[in-house]
Formats: sequence, structure tokens, C-alpha cells
Amino acid sequence: SQQGEEDPQALSIQEGENATMNCSYKTSINNLQWYRQNSGRGLVHLILIRSNEREKHSGRLRVTLDTSKKSSSLLITASRAADTASYFCATAAQGGSEKLVFGKGTKLTVNP
Amino acid sequence: KAGVTQTPRYLIKTRGQQVTLSCSPISGHRSVSWYQQTPGQGLQFLFEYFSETQRNKGNFPGRFSGRQFSNSRSEMNVSTLELGDSALYLCASSLDRQGEKLFFGSGTQLSVL
Repeated sequence: SQQGEEDPQALSIQEGENATMNCSYKTSINNLQWYRQNSGRGLVHLILIRSNEREKHSGRLRVTLDTSKKSSSLLITASRAADTASYFCATAAQGGSEKLVFGKGTKLTVNP
Repeated sequence: KAGVTQTPRYLIKTRGQQVTLSCSPISGHRSVSWYQQTPGQGLQFLFEYFSETQRNKGNFPGRFSGRQFSNSRSEMNVSTLELGDSALYLCASSLDRQGEKLFFGSGTQLSVL
């Protein structure tokens, strides 16, 4: 079963705009991660945020984590056509088997 | 360092057959995980191997099995294939803990006819 659920399922924006994707999860976590997948390929790790962190940045990416609301958001600033991909959040449950459980993803399309 | 290598890239099988997929992790990585990805179910965790032992298992029937060799390379096997097994099978490796950053291969696209 999915631990994380991304919202929206699909997002279409123009190049240069910001894209925000949200992830909600159900149980206490050790960390939450975001991955990107280009069509039919493997996933690429973007960023990991631990349960005791509230915000993290990496280049044009900004991730926030609110453990009280069991939610996270991924912001991509100044988007480019090359950012077109599916984005997944994944959670490692606290005190559990540590397996990484993925949501169903947000499909982002950035139009040139 | 070479990335995670999965072979073959594409496979076409018929119902009832069996299939073996291979995964070579990044050098030095001891944890190898397998996921099944389908449009309807998303990414589903199959199992994780560490030091030749299955450490975690997902909710898949016994037709799905795997193993890990002493060089950390891993194989997964699906017996008595069903149409619903058509999916992208992804392998991922990490240093030693599955809950940390995963490095994924490009996947094996399996089609069952």
C-alpha cells in the first residue's frame, strides 16, 4: 500500500514558472525523499529531508516537511522544459522495516 | 563509478513462462531492492537483499523470488507468469540501508502476452 500520496496527480505550467507538488503520508517517518523519473526510465534521487528538519534546498529545489501535518512539498523554481518528468515522494517509516515506500507521483509538464 | 545496471532492458514472455532479471549494484553498495512499477499501482516494493540475505519483503505472491550473490549482484525470478506481471521492474542499490538514498537502474520492461 502507498504510504505517500502526491498532489496534484498532474501539473502543466509554462517555462519560467514555479511548480509546487505536495505529498501526504500516514505514519511517523525517519526521512522523506523526492525522486524524479523521466518517461520509462529509472528514478533519480533529488533530495532527502530528515524528520527533524523543516526545510532543505538544492539548487532550484526547495523541500519543506511538516511532521505535525504529515506532509511535504517540493518547489521547483524557474522551471525548464527539461524538468518535465514524474516526481515521487518516498518515505522511510520510523521504527519499521526501513523499506522505502513510494507514492504514485505527480506528472509535471513544463511547456516551452 | 558505474551506475546500477539492469539486464535485459526489454523482455517479452508468454503466460506460464518464468523469467529472471539481473541487477548489478554500484560498487561498494551492499543493499539491493526491487520494485515493480505499473501505471495503476505505481511503485510497489518487492524485496530487499543485504549481504546475501533477504532483509525485507513486500506483499507479493511466492511466484516472485530473488537472491543476492556474494558480489552483491542480485537476480529476481518470476515463475508462472501472468498477464498482470507486465510492468517495469526497477532495481535500486544503497550503501547499507534501504531507507537511505537509493540509486536506481533503468529498469527491465517486462511484457507478458
